[in-house]
Amino acid sequence: GAGVSQSPSNKVTEKGKDVELRCDPISGHTALYWYRQSLGQGLEFLIYFQGNSAPDKSGLPSDRFSAERTGGSVSTLTIQRTQQEDSAVYLCASSPSDTQYFGPGTRLTVL
Amino acid sequence: AQSVTQPDIHITVSEGASLELRCNYSYGATPYLFWYVQSPGQGLQLLLKYFSGDTLVQGIKGFEAEFKRSQSSFNLRKPSVHWSDAAEYFCAVVPILTGGGNKLTFGTGTQLKVEL
Repeated sequence: GAGVSQSPSNKVTEKGKDVELRCDPISGHTALYWYRQSLGQGLEFLIYFQGNSAPDKSGLPSDRFSAERTGGSVSTLTIQRTQQEDSAVYLCASSPSDTQYFGPGTRLTVL
Repeated sequence: AQSVTQPDIHITVSEGASLELRCNYSYGATPYLFWYVQSPGQGLQLLLKYFSGDTLVQGIKGFEAEFKRSQSSFNLRKPSVHWSDAAEYFCAVVPILTGGGNKLTFGTGTQLKVEL
């Protein structure tokens, strides 16, 4: 069946611009997670959704980062006023219970 | 502090040789334990997981892992490595009873190179 999909696969932007990253989870998965993978910090948790609610936003690095989930399905991660340190691969995962299934990621490059 | 440690950043093995990747955790109670693999330009694929029960866990692609409570370890093994196993391997944990979902904490990863 269809796995987790993310778009775009690559995004190059200029410093100061806003970007939106999209995640389409596996159908029926109630939980959705965003992680960031960068050379300096490894794999880091950003935010967790259960349904459309985000009970854990503790990993968002600054108030420039926000995320939403609609219809218990698609999620969008928005980064405002991007900085060079935001360059990373952003990974989305969905889960029916205890196990997370990852998408291919979006590689963000901020020039 | 709670942490996950993968002591080996890089490992090189010959094709057909056995493999063991180390993972140690530091948590008050035994967490849920996972191994993921990431090929270049790809997302993370789950190899296997341990929640409870039998301490030897079988996964996909011929991998297995053994949970040892006394050593706080969850090492990944494969009896005979194939060239296609070259990738980066991540150990990850979910602390039980966090009350905030099952967010994963990852080790720093081990890059596996396979020599033909």
